[in-house]
Amino acid sequence: GIQVEQSPPDLILQEGANSTLRCNFSDSVNNLQWFHQNPWGQLINLFYIPSGTKQNGRLSATTVATERYSLLYISSSQTTDSGVYFCAYRDTDKLIFGTGTRLQVFP
Amino acid sequence: DGGITQSPKYLFRKEGQNVTLSCEQNLNHDAMYWYRQDPGQGLRLIYYSQIVNDFQKGDIAEGYSVSREKKESFPLTVTSAQKNPTAFYLCASSTRVYSNQPQHFGDGTRLSIL
Repeated sequence: GIQVEQSPPDLILQEGANSTLRCNFSDSVNNLQWFHQNPWGQLINLFYIPSGTKQNGRLSATTVATERYSLLYISSSQTTDSGVYFCAYRDTDKLIFGTGTRLQVFP
Repeated sequence: DGGITQSPKYLFRKEGQNVTLSCEQNLNHDAMYWYRQDPGQGLRLIYYSQIVNDFQKGDIAEGYSVSREKKESFPLTVTSAQKNPTAFYLCASSTRVYSNQPQHFGDGTRLSIL
């Protein structure tokens, strides 16, 4: 199957800092999604972004399908941004998740 | 508001016992899924269902069973055959399995062994 690599595995920021999370794929993928899992385990859809760029408030995402990567940008980070960020792609009948980037934002 | 409801939030299982996790959705989605998450890991697919009275095994179906008697409901039973059931279980739904629409997730159930 297609390998999904997320980087960095861990990220520690002070409130107000910006960050970029990356998701690399070993081959072309379909239907890429970004999720945020908060410290209570809730998994929240951030973006459905098979290609191009989308923005939602302080977050934006870019997928370059031909080069097999996607980026998630977090600007002016807040403590509520803490948690684990996953990218996932659809493989026929299921989502395949990366191992995640654990983000901790301190005041 | 439309969404996915999982219950209970926390569940404890005794040795040799079967337990059932509930998942209900009011999004009018045809497809529903069960995932398992172990600490520090991503999600792995247990079972999915494309339509009422139909379901398919995912990557780690051994020791689990499901039913889909109603469109809104997709309960997961963790049987005594599942020797390592301690994990976080997430239910999801989407309009269809083979679609370009995203999956939406419930808040999860944490299962532990007593």
